[in-house]
Amino acid sequence: QKEVEQNSGPLSVPEGAIASLNCTYSDRGSQSFFWYRQYSGKSPELIMSIYSNGDKEDGRFTAQLNKASQYVSLLIRDSQPSDSATYLCAVNRRSGGGADGLTFGKGTHLIIQP
Amino acid sequence: DAGVIQSPRHEVTEMGQEVTLRCKPISGHNSLFWYRQTMMRGLELLIYFNNNVPIDDSGMPEDRFSAKMPNASFSTLKIQPSEPRDSAVYFCASSLGHTNTEAFFGQGTRLTVV
Repeated sequence: QKEVEQNSGPLSVPEGAIASLNCTYSDRGSQSFFWYRQYSGKSPELIMSIYSNGDKEDGRFTAQLNKASQYVSLLIRDSQPSDSATYLCAVNRRSGGGADGLTFGKGTHLIIQP
Repeated sequence: DAGVIQSPRHEVTEMGQEVTLRCKPISGHNSLFWYRQTMMRGLELLIYFNNNVPIDDSGMPEDRFSAKMPNASFSTLKIQPSEPRDSAVYFCASSLGHTNTEAFFGQGTRLTVV
């Protein structure tokens, strides 16, 4: 059974600091990895995708993937109060040859303290 | 682009009634997904379609749930008869599918069965 594990938090980080969110997954066949942000009462919003081992940077966000360790992380630099949300890690077996449904972790609740 | 559009946004119904949730995917997207989100279980994939064809409905909890996609721009999720344990937020998402598995979510339908 596919599983994606995240620490539920809350993770409290001071404004301006780096927030580090972690995720592990059980299915070695996973090929695509995503981070979604979900504000309370809202829908998940895609913020990062990563497909290869290593780091991928987009603005203040950096996704890190280690397939050997089955580990994905998200770093948020210069954290802002507006970053306070639940962050969902999701994995997918397909790399682009056809869509497969995403398996989601239950999310980490991040709180940025002003 | 208007994004994924779901209706209704909120639905309150009595136990035993039929409920129909509707979704319009992003134009040009080949894959459509239905998810359910609860506090206890997080985001769960119910069913997904590629090119209007149901591919995997193993996440549908019971025979009371059914989904259709009669054309590329419309899908429904029906619950008949509804039960209080079906209360959740139901999300529809779509992706390009063949070339890109990044999924974009609609605003969701909050279903309450009393």
